[in-house]
Amino acid sequence: DIQMTQSPSSLSASVGDKVTFTCRASQSISAYLNWYQQKPGKAPNLLIYSASSLQSGVPSRFSGSGSGTDFTLTINSLQPEDFATYYCQQTYSSPLTFGQGTKVEIK
Amino acid sequence: EVQMLESGGGLVQPGGSLRLSCAVSGFIFKNFAMSWVRQAPEKGLEWVSSIGGTNGDTYYADSVKGRFTISRDNSKNILYLEVNSLRAEDTAIYYCAKDQIPYNGRFDAFDIWGQGTMVTVSS
Repeated sequence: DIQMTQSPSSLSASVGDKVTFTCRASQSISAYLNWYQQKPGKAPNLLIYSASSLQSGVPSRFSGSGSGTDFTLTINSLQPEDFATYYCQQTYSSPLTFGQGTKVEIK
Repeated sequence: EVQMLESGGGLVQPGGSLRLSCAVSGFIFKNFAMSWVRQAPEKGLEWVSSIGGTNGDTYYADSVKGRFTISRDNSKNILYLEVNSLRAEDTAIYYCAKDQIPYNGRFDAFDIWGQGTMVTVSS
């Protein structure tokens, strides 16, 4: 099974900050990597698919990069509505594993 | 508008069973792979199971293999998850999720999620 490891587990940031967090796969997954945002009490929301493609309707301050085993999600100019938990997921092979999440909190 | 509505959750004793349903509308259901993802209280997301489009290939997490069965009724636009031999650690919100692109033999990003149905396993 492919293990997905996200870092950090949590971070504190201020509105307007640029934040970057990472997701590492235990083996190469090419670009079969997706990022989701989840707010408390809500279902997850797809942000980035295929490592770097922005989902329709998602603000352009979100961007993704990487291939193989190392991936990053960047939020330029953090907004109040961006405080949430972010998960990566690989769809390279079953089981379609998620990372443990990165919680972005207000500093 | 795409809509997905889960139902069937509830309180069940250890060893019990439930059938979760996810009724969908707004897209050609049979063309898309579908999945179930769960989230235990205050925990992260855990992929549970996926099923292909018309061919119905099924895949399961090791933690549920042999106890859970995913299926679909393409004539009724409903996805199911039969959950048996339930354990306390199965307590979670269960979400159904739709693949972003029509099924081509591999699974894709989940672009639409239902609101979830809560399963509580307790005596």
